[in-house]
Amino acid sequence: EAGVAQSPRYKIIEKRQSVAFWCNPISGHATLYWYQQILGQGPKLLIQFQNNGVVDDSQLPKDRFSAERLKGVDSTLKIQPAKLEDSAVYLCASSQETGASNQPQHFGDGTRLSIL
Amino acid sequence: DAKTTQPNSMESNEEEPVHLPCNHSTISGTDYIHWYRQLPSQGPEYVIHGLTSNVNNRMASLAIAEDRKSSTLILHRATLRDAAVYYCILRDGYNQGGKLIFGQGTELSVKP
Repeated sequence: EAGVAQSPRYKIIEKRQSVAFWCNPISGHATLYWYQQILGQGPKLLIQFQNNGVVDDSQLPKDRFSAERLKGVDSTLKIQPAKLEDSAVYLCASSQETGASNQPQHFGDGTRLSIL
Repeated sequence: DAKTTQPNSMESNEEEPVHLPCNHSTISGTDYIHWYRQLPSQGPEYVIHGLTSNVNNRMASLAIAEDRKSSTLILHRATLRDAAVYYCILRDGYNQGGKLIFGQGTELSVKP
């Protein structure tokens, strides 16, 4: 099966600019996740969708980050305006689970964001 | 959220077995033990998970202590491709939306 697709692979912007990342999950996967991974750390969950509804966005800095999953398939994550501390890899993952949380999460290779 | 403790780094020789330890003394009855690994410049990859009994799959084996306060991921014959950061994660298996909370993981290096 095709994996989780993310684009772009790399992005360089200046601080205070805006940026958007796109994710196409594995076909049929109900749950979609966005993670932020700062260099040298493990990934941190930003937001979790089930179909097109938000399950958990407690770690999302809502003053500058937004995410949507229209039609319950593709998703976009936006940062506006970007800060230097947002430099990180943004990972998208998907899983089949719609109930108990034991289905594996399948990750894309991420978008590496550099803020100048 | 229950936490895990792993060594920061480990070394192994190619074609030898590798035992990656994980301590989780505050594990609850509904927590499953999940292992993911992350190769350089890639997203994390699911390896294995278990609740109480030891588990085997094509990638690895998971040995879980009888009191469930620790577990060990076993790679039976390490290859150069197994060099990665390995994350041991506790995940609530019975509540919808149980999070994956990644720690620092163990960076495994494999010598030829």
